[in-house]
Amino acid sequence: EVQLVESGGGLVQPGGSLRLSCAASGFSFSDYYMDWVRQAPGKGLEWVGRVRKRTNSYTTEYAASVNGRFTISRDDSKNSLYLQMSSLKTEDTAMYYCVKVDSKFYFDYWGQGVLVTVSS
Amino acid sequence: DIQLTQSPSFLSASVGDRVTITCRASQGINSNLAWHQQKPGKAPKLLIYAASTLQSGVPSRFSGSGSGTEFTLTITSLQPEDFATYYCRQLQSYPITFGQGTRLEIK
Repeated sequence: EVQLVESGGGLVQPGGSLRLSCAASGFSFSDYYMDWVRQAPGKGLEWVGRVRKRTNSYTTEYAASVNGRFTISRDDSKNSLYLQMSSLKTEDTAMYYCVKVDSKFYFDYWGQGVLVTVSS
Repeated sequence: DIQLTQSPSFLSASVGDRVTITCRASQGINSNLAWHQQKPGKAPKLLIYAASTLQSGVPSRFSGSGSGTEFTLTITSLQPEDFATYYCRQLQSYPITFGQGTRLEIK
């Protein structure tokens, strides 16, 4: 059974940093791209970014709203995905979801989400 | 960026009804569109990919159609568990974008 379990969320002040983790199990983690998607309270879904797999040199893509502030990485030896967030803004307050990207680039599995609150 | 506009944003319907949600793309995206369902407090779930292919385990009362710039999600014979918010998503180009969502509520 595929499982994606996010952790690391919490309350952080504007301008601060936070690192989210996603522990994956139930599939061959290293074979798939992985994404982060977020959802502000009461709002819609917003794609944050992607990290490709080793055979694609672990290259990344980001939404313009987080480019230069957020960094996505992965550790295939630990079946883990990471989201390093810095220079956080109040508008980054959201539930952050770890998402598995299938071979056709569809989001076939989502984690339960982790809440990040940016507030003074 | 490719913008996706869903209509309606809010839909009220009864159990047993047939409903259709439309997703329009600001430029052609071939069939590179998915539909997700999200229930309150839960993560989204993939319903349909490649515009019209039902994800494994999804009931056949859900169907998708369209290509290019106009797409539809149809639910025939609404069940109580179908009342949720539905999002379309394009994967034609970066940045990946979602529609604003359609909230389906019980009449």
